[in-house]
Amino acid sequence: GAVVSQHPSRVICKSGTSVKIECRSLDFQATTMFWYRQFPKQSLMLMATSNEGSKATYEQGVEKDKFLINHASLTLSTLTVTSAHPEDSSFYICSARGGAGWDTQYFGPGTRLTVL
Amino acid sequence: DAKTTQPPSMDCAEGRAANLPCNHSTISGNEYVYWYRQIHSQGPQYIIHGLKNNETNEMASLIITEDRKSSTLILPHATLRDTAVYYCIVARGSQGNLIFGKGTKLSVKP
Repeated sequence: GAVVSQHPSRVICKSGTSVKIECRSLDFQATTMFWYRQFPKQSLMLMATSNEGSKATYEQGVEKDKFLINHASLTLSTLTVTSAHPEDSSFYICSARGGAGWDTQYFGPGTRLTVL
Repeated sequence: DAKTTQPPSMDCAEGRAANLPCNHSTISGNEYVYWYRQIHSQGPQYIIHGLKNNETNEMASLIITEDRKSSTLILPHATLRDTAVYYCIVARGSQGNLIFGKGTKLSVKP
């Protein structure tokens, strides 16, 4: 299967700071990328969908000014958590899908964010 | 996207086949059945997907009923490393988003 990477795998930051998470498709061009969040013992929750070169589409209840998503190239999307607070601590996972004809999404390994 | 229903947990003996059921009675004609699994603290891993026909790959087999209202994921010879949460998701292929339910926690025991 196709490979998706995330960086960093783990980050600890102070409350009020911003954190950027990168998601890369390593061996395919990702027309669409997705960002999920997962709290302990819960399932994945879709936060937003982004198409290369377009603004992200956020799911209901997700603050677009807090979770900034950039999908500037076909292999890179970034999620920036602005002014992070302890309640933003979570496991953030991205996924990517190729262009027309691609039925499958491939997921990154996830980024564990801890806000102190 | 259609919703799915899965048992919350299942056990399986190592070396035996693991059969994981999924109900998706409201599935539409253009929606696929996807299976992913998530091992603790990792991103979900794609297993298999299908539209109408049964599918098989190196990881598993997917059996979809003729009316498409349910399916079964089969791991033919479960190992301890197959212990994970398995998610059955229905979505519109290249146009749909994957919405995760609670999945089935499969425990493979020696």
